[in-house]
Amino acid sequence: KNEVEQSPQNLTAQEGEFITINCSYSVGISALHWLQQHPGGGIVSLFMLSSGKKKHGRLIATINIQEKHSSLHITASHPRDSAVYICAVRGNTDKLIFGTGTRLQVFP
Amino acid sequence: EAQVTQNPRYLITVTGKKLTVTCSQNMNHEYMSWYRQDPGLGLRQIYYSMNVEVTDKGDVPEGYKVSRKEKRNFPLILESPSPNQTSLYFCASTRAGGIHEQYFGPGTRLTVT
Repeated sequence: KNEVEQSPQNLTAQEGEFITINCSYSVGISALHWLQQHPGGGIVSLFMLSSGKKKHGRLIATINIQEKHSSLHITASHPRDSAVYICAVRGNTDKLIFGTGTRLQVFP
Repeated sequence: EAQVTQNPRYLITVTGKKLTVTCSQNMNHEYMSWYRQDPGLGLRQIYYSMNVEVTDKGDVPEGYKVSRKEKRNFPLILESPSPNQTSLYFCASTRAGGIHEQYFGPGTRLTVT
């Protein structure tokens, strides 16, 4: 079993829909990262969380440390949100452990 | 602009021909890593470096070498590439210790025939 599990693996949505991507982990962590990878391949950092909730524009990330679970929400989704979303956790060192990603496609 | 650069972005080579993928960051970060990304497997760490002259194996180090002679540079060396090293490679950097944002390079798509 992977230490970081994401669901769903693939997600399609119509423009405007509310989207949720989930991440569960089985190890103790000091922080959790949400990353976005566009079809061109580049990876950018969206959020870094150690507790609670963060919001940036239409994106919201939450984390429940007790349940070892995080969610990434996208409100009013848009075709430009189409990408792979990757959850990664940081333990007691600087090393990251990655989930396998959720591929999101948003259709107009 | 804060960035991690990698070169080349695309490379097709043949089995056994030594190659180097360069990685450079301009943020004075201590911690640098190399990852490979394969379908269904996610990103896996190859090697990492905590600082100059300090490197260590990640989860999949076989067939790779690295060096960290300067803080900004962390090249990945494939002494004798094989087809199973065909992959998408990412270099990343961050400040060491504490919780800091990760910065990724643009990726290098390597094909070994």
